[in-house]
Amino acid sequence: DAGVIQSPRHEVTEMGQEVTLRCKPISGHNSLFWYRQTMMRGLELLIYFNNNVPIDDSGMPEDRFSAKMPNASFSTLKIQPSEPRDSAVYFCASSLETSGRVANIQYFGAGTRLSVL
Amino acid sequence: SQQGEEDPQALSIQEGENATMNCSYKTSINNLQWYRQNSGRGLVHLILIRSNEREKHSGRLRVTLDTSKKSSSLLITASRAADTASYFCATDEFDTGTASKLTFGTGTRLQVTL
Repeated sequence: DAGVIQSPRHEVTEMGQEVTLRCKPISGHNSLFWYRQTMMRGLELLIYFNNNVPIDDSGMPEDRFSAKMPNASFSTLKIQPSEPRDSAVYFCASSLETSGRVANIQYFGAGTRLSVL
Repeated sequence: SQQGEEDPQALSIQEGENATMNCSYKTSINNLQWYRQNSGRGLVHLILIRSNEREKHSGRLRVTLDTSKKSSSLLITASRAADTASYFCATDEFDTGTASKLTFGTGTRLQVTL
């Protein structure tokens, strides 16, 4: 398996532009997570999906951020309009969630480094 | 807010020495995991310890968990230069009813020099 695949790896854009980050989870995994990592705030969970349904989006910073998962093999995180403070590394992770309170190991992609000028 | 706080924030040791990192958390948990992040890469799962376990080993890794103190430690024995990375603890909160949502700590940056 190729693991979690994110694209692009690097994105440089100007303030006000729309940015779309993409993620392909590991085949067979049923949970998908979007994180943002910065030096100041560490690793923050933005949103996660289970069986393509958004379960918790309480970490999405504001309405400029939106995420979709149209099918089990693809998800997008969109920022519109982008601002310099959105500059960060965005990670996608996937896991296979089983029933009951069993911990799920998350598998991370390599991340997208976003720079908003 | 961060559920886990790692200590120390940064650690520099020589190859062959042991490295110990600590994690404290705030709420009751089901399980605690440790992840490693190499520079410019995503996080990689290292080891998981359940709330009813006190110690677990995996190769050169030893993890302890003290639920009464809400703390965990990660010991890397006989460190190597390749162990240079950031290490994060992650917890799933008991009360949320779902094991999917992990909260990551602030991380310990480990530097192993030759």
